[in-house]
Amino acid sequence: EIVLTQSPATLSLSPGERATLSCRPSQSVGSYLAWYQQKPGQAPRLLIYDASNRATGIPARFSGSGSGTDFTLTISSLETEDAAVYYCQLSDPWTFGQGTKVEIK
Amino acid sequence: QITLKESGRTLVKPTQTLTLTCTFSGFSLTSSGVGVAWIRQPPGKALEWLAVIYWDDDKRYSPSLRTRLTITKDTSKNQVFLTMTDMDPVDTATYYCARNEDYDRRGLDVWGQGTRVTVSS
Repeated sequence: EIVLTQSPATLSLSPGERATLSCRPSQSVGSYLAWYQQKPGQAPRLLIYDASNRATGIPARFSGSGSGTDFTLTISSLETEDAAVYYCQLSDPWTFGQGTKVEIK
Repeated sequence: QITLKESGRTLVKPTQTLTLTCTFSGFSLTSSGVGVAWIRQPPGKALEWLAVIYWDDDKRYSPSLRTRLTITKDTSKNQVFLTMTDMDPVDTATYYCARNEDYDRRGLDVWGQGTRVTVSS
């Protein structure tokens, strides 16, 4: 069973700063890794699919990269609306990471 | 416009069986590559993937819950069902269904609003 480890657990940054979120599979995987944003009381929203492709309507400040055992979600310039929990997710086999909470100072 | 909506009992007793329905529109589960997944989220905790069913009736389950889950579909009604047996208070969660557009690729691009299920005697 593959485990996705996300770090850090919480990230506290100011508007305009760069956020770097990590997702590390316990073993090397293919590129079917996705990232989601979830705000309180809402369903998750797909941000990035297949490691580096932005989903429809997602702002360009969100980008994904990585392969194997090291994947990254980058928010280039934080906005207050980006405060949320971010999850990575692997397909084949399907699993989610435990999430990273992004706080805006 | 693609939508999904979860429905089912919101309160179940321990040991009972839960059946949830995901009713969707705007796409077909007969289209090659399309799948519908179930995911849950206990209060204040992370997302947990449960099961997925594909257009060709391929099914996959969470290894830790495999013995308790059954996923099925009714393509004529645009519905996917999830049955979970032997419910326990730890199964209290919001249950979501979501679409997978291309057989494991492209993530879960559209989600339902979720349905809150409480397990209590």
